[in-house]
Amino acid sequence: NAGVTQTPKFRILKIGQSMTLQCAQDMNHNYMYWYRQDPGMGLKLIYYSVGAGITDKGEVPNGYNVSRSTTEDFPLRLELAAPSQTSVYFCASSYDPSGYEQYFGPGTRLTVT
Amino acid sequence: GNSVTQMEGPVTLSEEAFLTINCTYTATGYPSLFWYVQYPGEGLQLLLKATKADDKGSNKGFEATYRKETTSFHLEKGSVQVSDSAVYFCALNTGNQFYFGTGTSLTVIP
Repeated sequence: NAGVTQTPKFRILKIGQSMTLQCAQDMNHNYMYWYRQDPGMGLKLIYYSVGAGITDKGEVPNGYNVSRSTTEDFPLRLELAAPSQTSVYFCASSYDPSGYEQYFGPGTRLTVT
Repeated sequence: GNSVTQMEGPVTLSEEAFLTINCTYTATGYPSLFWYVQYPGEGLQLLLKATKADDKGSNKGFEATYRKETTSFHLEKGSVQVSDSAVYFCALNTGNQFYFGTGTSLTVIP
């Protein structure tokens, strides 16, 4: 049982490049989330999904896209990277948000220069 | 709307000191409340939780009580250790989303 896994751990992008951050969980959780954490700040929700084929925007969705074709995977796509997207990105999953905790991946540290 | 307000840090304590980190919340409905801990370079880990009013969550010597009347969920530990040095996040869940505070950095010195 690996929990929530994320790849890559680190990445440096040039302005305007694109990339996909991978996230997978093996706990059969329906709910999955993407957050960004800026230095000294809390977590901000980018997108979330309540099940395969269903996604919804969070607080800061601009510049990102997601898809959820399977229960296990929830990739986050960055198009046209900008310096403002420099951050640490965390993926999380939950069995049921009502009373159940989230399980977090180890994070991806992204720098856009 | 839903939000969590946490005590500003950083907090520095000597080993064996008493710890309190304040957390208050605003929420519609009846949220569940959580404390998460983040060690350097890692993701967040659940520390404890409470799902209804007057519940007390506890783990590893940490405790927090869900106080509906004061909309609070303060984290306490009677005697901190160097290994407790980390960032602590208060969070609430209502509906499909979780809402996090900004985090409180704790450093415990020997």
